[in-house]
Amino acid sequence: EAGVVQSPRYKIIEKKQPVAFWCNPISGHNTLYWYLQNLGQGPELLIRYENEEAVDDSQLPKDRFSAERLKGVDSTLKIQPAELGDSAVYLCASSRQQGWEQFFGPGTRLTVL
Amino acid sequence: DAKTTQPTSMDCAEGRAANLPCNHSTISGNEYVYWYRQIHSQGPQYIIHGLKNNETNEMASLIITEDRKSSTLILPHATLRDTAVYYCIVNIKTGNNNDMRFGAGTRLTVKP
Repeated sequence: EAGVVQSPRYKIIEKKQPVAFWCNPISGHNTLYWYLQNLGQGPELLIRYENEEAVDDSQLPKDRFSAERLKGVDSTLKIQPAELGDSAVYLCASSRQQGWEQFFGPGTRLTVL
Repeated sequence: DAKTTQPTSMDCAEGRAANLPCNHSTISGNEYVYWYRQIHSQGPQYIIHGLKNNETNEMASLIITEDRKSSTLILPHATLRDTAVYYCIVNIKTGNNNDMRFGAGTRLTVKP
Protein backbone atom coordinates (compact mmCIF):
# COMPACT_ATOMS: atom_id res chain seq x y z
CA GLU A 1 0.00 0.00 0.00
CA ALA A 2 1.32 3.44 -0.92
CA GLY A 3 2.17 5.71 1.99
CA VAL A 4 1.20 9.29 2.67
CA VAL A 5 2.54 11.50 -0.12
CA GLN A 6 3.58 15.09 0.46
CA SER A 7 4.93 17.70 -1.90
CA PRO A 8 7.11 19.54 -2.18
CA ARG A 9 9.75 18.00 0.07
CA TYR A 10 11.61 21.27 0.41
CA LYS A 11 10.55 24.87 -0.12
CA ILE A 12 12.53 28.08 0.27
CA ILE A 13 10.69 31.39 0.06
CA GLU A 14 11.14 34.97 1.11
CA LYS A 15 9.07 36.37 3.95
CA LYS A 16 5.68 37.78 3.03
CA GLN A 17 5.37 35.34 0.12
CA PRO A 18 2.58 32.73 0.01
CA VAL A 19 3.31 29.00 0.13
CA ALA A 20 1.20 25.87 -0.20
CA PHE A 21 1.79 22.26 0.80
CA TRP A 22 -0.04 19.28 -0.63
CA CYS A 23 -0.85 15.95 0.98
CA ASN A 24 -2.35 12.77 -0.43
CA PRO A 25 -3.31 10.38 2.38
CA ILE A 26 -3.42 6.61 2.26
CA SER A 27 -6.41 5.39 0.28
CA GLY A 28 -9.41 4.73 2.49
CA HIS A 29 -8.16 6.81 5.40
CA ASN A 30 -10.92 9.13 6.58
CA THR A 31 -8.89 11.16 9.07
CA LEU A 32 -6.18 13.55 7.94
CA TYR A 33 -3.86 15.61 10.14
CA TRP A 34 -1.48 18.48 9.56
CA TYR A 35 1.34 18.94 12.06
CA LEU A 36 4.11 21.49 12.42
CA GLN A 37 7.48 20.38 13.74
CA ASN A 38 10.15 22.82 14.89
CA LEU A 39 13.75 21.74 15.16
CA GLY A 40 14.38 19.55 18.19
CA GLN A 41 10.72 19.36 19.14
CA GLY A 42 7.91 16.91 18.60
CA PRO A 43 5.15 17.49 16.06
CA GLU A 44 2.32 19.85 17.04
CA LEU A 45 -1.15 19.38 15.62
CA LEU A 46 -2.42 22.21 13.44
CA ILE A 47 -5.66 20.76 12.12
CA ARG A 48 -7.53 17.47 11.91
CA TYR A 49 -10.06 16.48 9.25
CA GLU A 50 -12.72 13.81 9.41
CA ASN A 51 -13.45 13.32 5.72
CA GLU A 52 -13.89 16.87 4.41
CA GLU A 53 -14.81 18.42 7.76
CA ALA A 54 -12.24 20.21 9.89
CA VAL A 55 -13.10 18.93 13.36
CA ASP A 56 -10.15 20.38 15.26
CA ASP A 57 -8.44 23.54 14.03
CA SER A 58 -7.92 25.20 17.39
CA GLN A 59 -4.12 25.33 16.95
CA LEU A 60 -4.19 26.70 13.40
CA PRO A 61 -3.15 30.39 13.27
CA LYS A 62 -6.09 31.48 11.21
CA ASP A 63 -4.81 34.93 10.40
CA ARG A 64 -2.27 33.51 7.97
CA PHE A 65 -2.85 29.74 7.76
CA SER A 66 -5.64 28.01 5.90
CA ALA A 67 -6.34 24.44 4.93
CA GLU A 68 -8.81 22.57 2.82
CA ARG A 69 -9.79 19.00 2.05
CA LEU A 70 -12.51 19.58 -0.49
CA LYS A 71 -13.38 16.04 -1.59
CA GLY A 72 -12.34 14.33 1.61
CA VAL A 73 -9.19 12.92 0.04
CA ASP A 74 -6.14 15.07 -0.55
CA SER A 75 -5.51 18.27 1.34
CA THR A 76 -3.70 21.58 0.96
CA LEU A 77 -2.21 23.72 3.72
CA LYS A 78 -1.48 27.34 2.85
CA ILE A 79 0.42 30.13 4.54
CA GLN A 80 -0.10 33.69 3.37
CA PRO A 81 1.97 35.67 4.06
CA ALA A 82 4.83 33.60 5.41
CA GLU A 83 6.92 34.90 8.31
CA LEU A 84 10.44 34.00 9.38
CA GLY A 85 9.07 32.02 12.34
CA ASP A 86 7.14 29.72 10.00
CA SER A 87 10.36 27.94 9.07
CA ALA A 88 9.73 24.34 10.14
CA VAL A 89 8.78 20.91 8.86
CA TYR A 90 5.10 20.49 7.98
CA LEU A 91 3.92 16.92 8.38
CA CYS A 92 0.78 15.32 7.06
CA ALA A 93 -0.62 12.13 8.55
CA SER A 94 -3.67 9.98 7.97
CA SER A 95 -5.49 7.25 9.82
CA ARG A 96 -8.33 4.93 8.92
CA GLN A 97 -10.42 6.48 11.66
CA GLN A 98 -9.84 8.95 14.46
CA GLY A 99 -7.87 7.31 17.24
CA TRP A 100 -6.33 4.62 15.06
CA GLU A 101 -2.62 4.56 14.32
CA GLN A 102 -1.45 7.48 12.27
CA PHE A 103 0.71 7.12 9.19
CA PHE A 104 2.96 10.08 8.49
CA GLY A 105 4.34 11.45 5.28
CA PRO A 106 7.99 12.54 4.95
CA GLY A 107 7.11 16.19 5.55
CA THR A 108 7.83 19.45 3.76
CA ARG A 109 10.77 21.42 5.08
CA LEU A 110 9.97 25.15 4.75
CA THR A 111 12.65 27.79 5.00
CA VAL A 112 11.53 31.42 5.10
CA LEU A 113 14.30 33.93 4.36
CA ASP B 1 2.00 20.78 27.46
CA ALA B 2 2.72 17.09 26.94
CA LYS B 3 1.20 14.78 29.53
CA THR B 4 4.27 12.55 29.62
CA THR B 5 7.82 12.75 30.91
CA GLN B 6 10.64 10.97 29.13
CA PRO B 7 14.42 11.06 29.47
CA THR B 8 16.02 13.35 26.92
CA SER B 9 18.43 10.74 25.62
CA MET B 10 19.55 7.14 26.06
CA ASP B 11 22.21 4.88 24.62
CA CYS B 12 21.95 1.17 23.95
CA ALA B 13 24.41 -1.41 22.66
CA GLU B 14 23.51 -3.13 19.42
CA GLY B 15 21.87 -6.49 20.03
CA ARG B 16 20.84 -5.64 23.58
CA ALA B 17 17.35 -4.74 24.75
CA ALA B 18 16.47 -1.07 24.78
CA ASN B 19 14.11 -0.11 27.61
CA LEU B 20 12.58 3.32 27.19
CA PRO B 21 10.65 4.65 30.20
CA CYS B 22 7.75 7.06 30.22
CA ASN B 23 5.95 8.67 33.13
CA HIS B 24 2.31 9.64 32.75
CA SER B 25 1.15 10.14 36.31
CA THR B 26 -1.96 12.16 35.35
CA ILE B 27 -3.30 9.64 32.84
CA SER B 28 -7.07 9.32 32.79
CA GLY B 29 -8.95 6.06 32.77
CA ASN B 30 -9.93 6.36 29.12
CA GLU B 31 -6.51 7.40 27.83
CA TYR B 32 -4.28 5.05 25.91
CA VAL B 33 -0.49 5.04 25.87
CA TYR B 34 0.93 5.35 22.36
CA TRP B 35 4.51 5.07 21.19
CA TYR B 36 5.85 6.50 17.96
CA ARG B 37 9.39 6.93 16.75
CA GLN B 38 10.99 9.31 14.28
CA ILE B 39 14.11 8.45 12.38
CA HIS B 40 16.13 11.41 11.16
CA SER B 41 14.52 13.27 8.23
CA GLN B 42 11.46 11.03 8.22
CA GLY B 43 7.94 11.38 9.55
CA PRO B 44 7.02 9.65 12.82
CA GLN B 45 6.23 5.95 12.68
CA TYR B 46 3.66 4.21 14.87
CA ILE B 47 5.08 1.47 17.10
CA ILE B 48 2.48 0.24 19.56
CA HIS B 49 -0.26 1.32 21.94
CA GLY B 50 -2.06 -0.04 24.99
CA LEU B 51 -4.62 0.75 27.65
CA LYS B 52 -4.01 -1.50 30.66
CA ASN B 53 -2.55 -4.77 29.55
CA ASN B 54 0.94 -5.33 28.27
CA GLU B 55 1.14 -5.45 24.51
CA THR B 56 3.57 -7.00 22.04
CA ASN B 57 3.89 -6.78 18.30
CA GLU B 58 6.60 -7.42 15.75
CA MET B 59 8.37 -4.19 16.61
CA ALA B 60 8.27 -3.91 20.37
CA SER B 61 6.66 -4.70 23.71
CA LEU B 62 4.81 -2.23 25.88
CA ILE B 63 4.74 -2.75 29.64
CA ILE B 64 2.23 -0.60 31.55
CA THR B 65 2.36 -0.53 35.34
CA GLU B 66 -0.70 -1.63 37.24
CA ASP B 67 -1.48 1.93 38.36
CA ARG B 68 -0.94 3.06 34.73
CA LYS B 69 1.23 5.96 35.84
CA SER B 70 4.23 4.79 33.87
CA SER B 71 5.17 2.50 31.03
CA THR B 72 8.22 1.06 29.32
CA LEU B 73 8.76 0.43 25.64
CA ILE B 74 11.06 -2.51 25.03
CA LEU B 75 12.96 -3.12 21.81
CA PRO B 76 14.19 -6.65 22.48
CA HIS B 77 17.22 -6.69 20.21
CA ALA B 78 18.16 -3.16 19.23
CA THR B 79 19.82 -2.57 15.87
CA LEU B 80 21.56 0.49 14.49
CA ARG B 81 18.41 1.23 12.51
CA ASP B 82 16.50 1.69 15.76
CA THR B 83 18.41 4.92 16.40
CA ALA B 84 15.61 7.51 16.50
CA VAL B 85 13.58 9.81 18.71
CA TYR B 86 10.91 7.86 20.58
CA TYR B 87 7.72 9.60 21.61
CA CYS B 88 5.40 8.44 24.38
CA ILE B 89 1.92 9.95 24.12
CA VAL B 90 -1.24 9.54 26.15
CA ASN B 91 -4.50 10.23 24.41
CA ILE B 92 -8.11 9.20 24.27
CA LYS B 93 -9.00 7.11 21.28
CA THR B 94 -12.18 8.85 20.18
CA GLY B 95 -14.02 12.07 20.74
CA ASN B 96 -13.38 15.72 20.09
CA ASN B 97 -10.59 15.91 22.66
CA ASN B 98 -8.44 13.54 20.66
CA ASP B 99 -5.12 15.35 20.69
CA MET B 100 -1.79 13.62 20.12
CA ARG B 101 0.77 15.77 21.99
CA PHE B 102 4.19 14.48 21.12
CA GLY B 103 6.52 16.30 23.49
CA ALA B 104 10.28 16.21 22.88
CA GLY B 105 10.68 12.44 23.17
CA THR B 106 13.76 10.34 24.00
CA ARG B 107 16.65 10.30 21.58
CA LEU B 108 17.84 6.67 21.49
CA THR B 109 21.27 6.01 20.07
CA VAL B 110 22.14 2.39 19.35
CA LYS B 111 25.89 1.91 19.33
CA PRO B 112 27.88 -0.87 17.66
